[in-house]
Amino acid sequence: GAVVSQHPSWVICKSGTSVKIECRSLDFQATTMFWYRQFPKQSLMLMATSNEGSKATYEQGVEKDKFLINHASLTLSTLTVTSAHPEDSSFYICSARTSGKMVTQYFGPGTRLLVL
Amino acid sequence: DQQVKQNSPSLSVQEGRISILNCDYTNSMFDYFLWYKKYPAEGPTFLISISSIKDKNEDGRFTVFLNKSAKHLSLHIVPSQPGDSAVYFCAAHHFTGGGNKLTFGTGTQLKVEL
Repeated sequence: GAVVSQHPSWVICKSGTSVKIECRSLDFQATTMFWYRQFPKQSLMLMATSNEGSKATYEQGVEKDKFLINHASLTLSTLTVTSAHPEDSSFYICSARTSGKMVTQYFGPGTRLLVL
Repeated sequence: DQQVKQNSPSLSVQEGRISILNCDYTNSMFDYFLWYKKYPAEGPTFLISISSIKDKNEDGRFTVFLNKSAKHLSLHIVPSQPGDSAVYFCAAHHFTGGGNKLTFGTGTQLKVEL
Protein backbone atom coordinates (compact mmCIF):
# COMPACT_ATOMS: atom_id res chain seq x y z
CA GLY A 1 0.00 0.00 0.00
CA ALA A 2 0.92 3.65 -0.25
CA VAL A 3 3.28 5.10 2.31
CA VAL A 4 2.58 8.19 4.35
CA SER A 5 5.08 9.54 6.84
CA GLN A 6 4.70 12.00 9.70
CA HIS A 7 7.26 13.99 11.56
CA PRO A 8 7.83 14.26 14.42
CA SER A 9 6.47 11.05 15.90
CA TRP A 10 6.15 12.69 19.28
CA VAL A 11 6.66 16.15 20.73
CA ILE A 12 6.54 17.67 24.18
CA CYS A 13 6.17 21.41 24.41
CA LYS A 14 5.36 24.15 26.87
CA SER A 15 1.98 25.79 26.97
CA GLY A 16 1.79 28.77 24.65
CA THR A 17 4.25 27.52 22.07
CA SER A 18 3.40 26.49 18.51
CA VAL A 19 4.07 23.05 17.11
CA LYS A 20 4.32 22.06 13.46
CA ILE A 21 3.61 18.51 12.27
CA GLU A 22 4.57 17.41 8.77
CA CYS A 23 2.78 14.80 6.70
CA ARG A 24 4.32 13.45 3.52
CA SER A 25 3.14 10.99 0.91
CA LEU A 26 6.28 9.11 -0.07
CA ASP A 27 5.34 7.16 -3.16
CA PHE A 28 2.28 8.85 -4.57
CA GLN A 29 0.87 12.29 -5.20
CA ALA A 30 -1.71 13.21 -2.62
CA THR A 31 -4.17 15.71 -3.98
CA THR A 32 -6.14 15.48 -0.76
CA MET A 33 -4.84 15.14 2.77
CA PHE A 34 -6.79 14.78 5.96
CA TRP A 35 -5.93 15.56 9.55
CA TYR A 36 -7.44 13.51 12.35
CA ARG A 37 -7.23 13.63 16.08
CA GLN A 38 -7.68 10.66 18.37
CA PHE A 39 -8.31 10.76 22.10
CA PRO A 40 -7.59 7.65 24.17
CA LYS A 41 -10.00 4.81 23.48
CA GLN A 42 -12.00 6.92 21.07
CA SER A 43 -12.51 6.99 17.35
CA LEU A 44 -10.59 9.07 14.86
CA MET A 45 -12.15 12.52 14.58
CA LEU A 46 -11.66 14.36 11.31
CA MET A 47 -10.36 17.86 11.91
CA ALA A 48 -9.91 19.16 8.40
CA THR A 49 -9.53 18.27 4.75
CA SER A 50 -6.98 19.98 2.56
CA ASN A 51 -6.59 19.96 -1.18
CA GLU A 52 -3.29 20.90 -2.73
CA GLY A 53 -3.08 24.60 -3.45
CA SER A 54 -6.31 25.58 -1.76
CA LYS A 55 -7.53 26.42 1.71
CA ALA A 56 -8.39 23.64 4.09
CA THR A 57 -11.97 22.79 4.95
CA TYR A 58 -12.43 22.49 8.70
CA GLU A 59 -14.96 20.36 10.49
CA GLN A 60 -17.49 21.95 12.77
CA GLY A 61 -16.00 22.84 16.11
CA VAL A 62 -12.39 22.93 14.90
CA GLU A 63 -10.78 26.34 15.17
CA LYS A 64 -9.03 27.17 11.92
CA ASP A 65 -6.90 29.86 13.56
CA LYS A 66 -5.80 27.36 16.17
CA PHE A 67 -4.98 24.53 13.79
CA LEU A 68 -3.28 25.97 10.71
CA ILE A 69 -3.09 23.64 7.73
CA ASN A 70 -0.92 24.17 4.70
CA HIS A 71 -0.99 21.79 1.73
CA ALA A 72 1.71 23.43 -0.34
CA SER A 73 2.61 20.53 -2.61
CA LEU A 74 1.28 17.20 -3.78
CA THR A 75 3.42 15.38 -1.26
CA LEU A 76 3.42 17.61 1.81
CA SER A 77 0.85 18.97 4.23
CA THR A 78 1.58 20.61 7.56
CA LEU A 79 -0.52 21.09 10.66
CA THR A 80 0.53 23.84 13.05
CA VAL A 81 -0.99 23.86 16.50
CA THR A 82 -0.71 27.51 17.51
CA SER A 83 -0.38 28.61 21.13
CA ALA A 84 -0.78 25.04 22.30
CA HIS A 85 -2.46 24.33 25.62
CA PRO A 86 -2.65 21.13 27.67
CA GLU A 87 -6.10 20.33 26.25
CA ASP A 88 -4.49 20.14 22.80
CA SER A 89 -2.51 17.12 23.95
CA SER A 90 -3.60 14.28 21.72
CA PHE A 91 -2.60 11.87 18.97
CA TYR A 92 -2.68 13.59 15.59
CA ILE A 93 -2.83 11.46 12.46
CA CYS A 94 -2.72 12.53 8.85
CA SER A 95 -3.95 10.57 5.88
CA ALA A 96 -3.73 11.03 2.16
CA ARG A 97 -5.36 9.86 -1.00
CA THR A 98 -4.88 10.44 -4.69
CA SER A 99 -7.36 12.02 -6.99
CA GLY A 100 -9.99 10.37 -9.10
CA LYS A 101 -12.21 7.61 -7.89
CA MET A 102 -9.86 6.46 -5.17
CA VAL A 103 -11.61 6.28 -1.85
CA THR A 104 -9.02 4.55 0.27
CA GLN A 105 -7.06 6.80 2.55
CA TYR A 106 -3.59 5.84 3.70
CA PHE A 107 -2.57 6.96 7.13
CA GLY A 108 0.63 8.22 8.59
CA PRO A 109 2.03 6.75 11.81
CA GLY A 110 0.68 9.60 13.92
CA THR A 111 2.22 12.27 16.15
CA ARG A 112 1.82 12.23 19.89
CA LEU A 113 1.63 15.79 21.25
CA LEU A 114 1.99 16.50 24.93
CA VAL A 115 1.58 20.09 26.06
CA LEU A 116 2.82 20.78 29.56
CA ASP B 1 -24.73 11.40 16.26
CA GLN B 2 -22.66 8.27 15.75
CA GLN B 3 -23.36 7.22 12.17
CA VAL B 4 -20.96 4.28 12.27
CA LYS B 5 -21.13 2.03 15.30
CA GLN B 6 -19.00 -0.81 16.51
CA ASN B 7 -20.96 -2.06 19.48
CA SER B 8 -18.36 -4.47 20.75
CA PRO B 9 -15.45 -2.58 22.29
CA SER B 10 -13.47 -5.79 22.63
CA LEU B 11 -13.32 -9.35 21.35
CA SER B 12 -11.19 -12.27 22.45
CA VAL B 13 -10.57 -15.24 20.15
CA GLN B 14 -8.34 -18.28 20.28
CA GLU B 15 -5.56 -18.64 17.76
CA GLY B 16 -6.72 -20.53 14.68
CA ARG B 17 -10.38 -19.74 15.20
CA ILE B 18 -12.48 -17.22 13.32
CA SER B 19 -12.71 -13.58 14.43
CA ILE B 20 -15.87 -11.73 13.47
CA LEU B 21 -15.94 -7.99 13.92
CA ASN B 22 -19.20 -6.16 13.39
CA CYS B 23 -20.12 -2.68 12.27
CA ASP B 24 -23.49 -0.97 11.86
CA TYR B 25 -24.26 2.27 10.12
CA THR B 26 -27.22 4.58 9.80
CA ASN B 27 -26.50 6.77 6.78
CA SER B 28 -27.86 5.28 3.56
CA MET B 29 -25.64 7.65 1.56
CA PHE B 30 -22.51 5.70 2.49
CA ASP B 31 -21.24 4.11 -0.71
CA TYR B 32 -17.98 2.44 0.28
CA PHE B 33 -16.77 0.77 3.43
CA LEU B 34 -13.27 0.12 4.68
CA TRP B 35 -11.64 -1.74 7.54
CA TYR B 36 -8.48 -0.48 9.18
CA LYS B 37 -6.24 -2.10 11.75
CA LYS B 38 -4.45 -0.02 14.34
CA TYR B 39 -1.72 -0.76 16.83
CA PRO B 40 -1.19 1.55 19.83
CA ALA B 41 0.62 4.79 19.01
CA GLU B 42 0.57 4.02 15.29
CA GLY B 43 -1.56 5.17 12.39
CA PRO B 44 -4.31 2.92 11.02
CA THR B 45 -3.36 0.42 8.33
CA PHE B 46 -5.79 -0.25 5.52
CA LEU B 47 -6.98 -3.87 5.41
CA ILE B 48 -9.86 -4.39 3.03
CA SER B 49 -12.77 -2.51 1.53
CA ILE B 50 -16.09 -3.13 -0.14
CA SER B 51 -18.30 -1.14 -2.44
CA SER B 52 -21.94 -0.74 -1.54
CA ILE B 53 -22.90 -2.55 -4.75
CA LYS B 54 -21.26 -5.75 -3.54
CA ASP B 55 -22.03 -8.04 -0.65
CA LYS B 56 -18.68 -9.76 -0.20
CA ASN B 57 -15.01 -9.09 -0.75
CA GLU B 58 -12.23 -11.49 0.12
CA ASP B 59 -8.51 -10.97 0.46
CA GLY B 60 -6.51 -13.82 1.93
CA ARG B 61 -7.55 -14.41 5.52
CA PHE B 62 -9.81 -11.36 5.50
CA THR B 63 -13.37 -11.28 4.20
CA VAL B 64 -15.78 -8.40 4.49
CA PHE B 65 -19.51 -8.95 4.20
CA LEU B 66 -22.03 -6.20 3.57
CA ASN B 67 -25.75 -6.47 4.28
CA LYS B 68 -27.06 -3.27 2.84
CA SER B 69 -30.68 -3.80 3.86
CA ALA B 70 -29.61 -4.25 7.47
CA LYS B 71 -26.97 -1.52 7.21
CA HIS B 72 -24.48 -3.95 8.65
CA LEU B 73 -21.02 -5.09 7.69
CA SER B 74 -18.65 -7.55 9.24
CA LEU B 75 -15.00 -8.47 8.96
CA HIS B 76 -14.07 -12.13 9.20
CA ILE B 77 -10.51 -13.16 9.94
CA VAL B 78 -9.74 -16.83 9.59
CA PRO B 79 -7.60 -18.34 10.88
CA SER B 80 -6.89 -15.74 13.54
CA GLN B 81 -3.25 -15.21 14.47
CA PRO B 82 -1.67 -13.54 17.52
CA GLY B 83 -0.36 -10.78 15.25
CA ASP B 84 -3.95 -9.86 14.45
CA SER B 85 -4.33 -8.50 17.96
CA ALA B 86 -5.06 -4.80 17.45
CA VAL B 87 -7.90 -2.31 17.31
CA TYR B 88 -10.06 -2.61 14.21
CA PHE B 89 -11.95 0.37 12.86
CA CYS B 90 -14.62 0.26 10.24
CA ALA B 91 -15.04 3.38 8.15
CA ALA B 92 -17.74 4.50 5.77
CA HIS B 93 -17.27 6.80 2.81
CA HIS B 94 -19.67 9.33 1.38
CA PHE B 95 -19.58 12.47 -0.69
CA THR B 96 -20.56 15.66 1.07
CA GLY B 97 -20.56 19.32 0.21
CA GLY B 98 -17.09 19.42 1.66
CA GLY B 99 -15.81 16.55 -0.49
CA ASN B 100 -15.09 12.90 0.19
CA LYS B 101 -15.19 11.88 3.81
CA LEU B 102 -14.62 8.82 5.89
CA THR B 103 -16.62 8.37 9.07
CA PHE B 104 -15.03 6.00 11.55
CA GLY B 105 -16.55 3.70 14.11
CA THR B 106 -15.25 3.65 17.67
CA GLY B 107 -13.16 0.55 17.13
CA THR B 108 -13.06 -3.01 18.46
CA GLN B 109 -10.06 -4.30 20.35
CA LEU B 110 -9.30 -7.81 19.11
CA LYS B 111 -7.16 -10.09 21.22
CA VAL B 112 -6.05 -13.36 19.74
CA GLU B 113 -4.93 -15.74 22.44
CA LEU B 114 -2.61 -18.69 22.13
